[in-house]
Amino acid sequence: SAVISQKPSRDICQRGTSLTIQCQVDSQVTMMFWYRQQPGQSLTLIATANQGSEATYESGFVIDKFPISRPNLTFSTLTVSNMSPEDSSIYLCSLGSGSSYNEQFFGPGTRLTVL
Amino acid sequence: AQKVTQAQTEISVVEKEDVTLDCVYETRDTTYYLFWYKQPPSGELVFLIRRNSFDEQNEISGRYSWNFQKSTSSFNFTITASQVVDSAVYFCALSEGTGNQFYFGTGTSLTVIP
Repeated sequence: SAVISQKPSRDICQRGTSLTIQCQVDSQVTMMFWYRQQPGQSLTLIATANQGSEATYESGFVIDKFPISRPNLTFSTLTVSNMSPEDSSIYLCSLGSGSSYNEQFFGPGTRLTVL
Repeated sequence: AQKVTQAQTEISVVEKEDVTLDCVYETRDTTYYLFWYKQPPSGELVFLIRRNSFDEQNEISGRYSWNFQKSTSSFNFTITASQVVDSAVYFCALSEGTGNQFYFGTGTSLTVIP
């Protein structure tokens, strides 16, 4: 299985600022996904990030708020922009092989607290 | 409509008891995949099992077992002789054959009391 790392593992940020979360994979993957898990809640898909194309956002998420980069097949970033306390969540990246047969593996997550 | 339903929000059991976590799913696809993940207090998601829609054989892995029944659209997870280290939130998830998106249930928080 692929090894996925995320930076930072946790952060406490002030309202109105932005945070960029990095996701690094030790092998080349076609599709990467970003999820949000609000406190006590399940996981919600934010967007799908394919290398070389614009990310595809799910309903309720927009690029201005959650810009994503995917510069190569092993790396992606998610930025949480103009943060508010409602953005306090765990943000997780995961990877897939392009078919739903994949065992979707998740990174360790980034715990974000917005004051 | 919720594609994955985990009706049990919280469960507490005493150590060594058996516990079953329920998962009911909804899909119109004939090809789909079901998953269970464990999320301990540290927050990472640990993959436990994947089952495709064409394989209804039950599976056992140590103290863990899974019962997949297409007739009732259920994919239940049983922990035998529970241990304190089993305390975590467990998520059931569905991936349909038409896409890559995973649909997660709301999770069941399991507490094993020593």
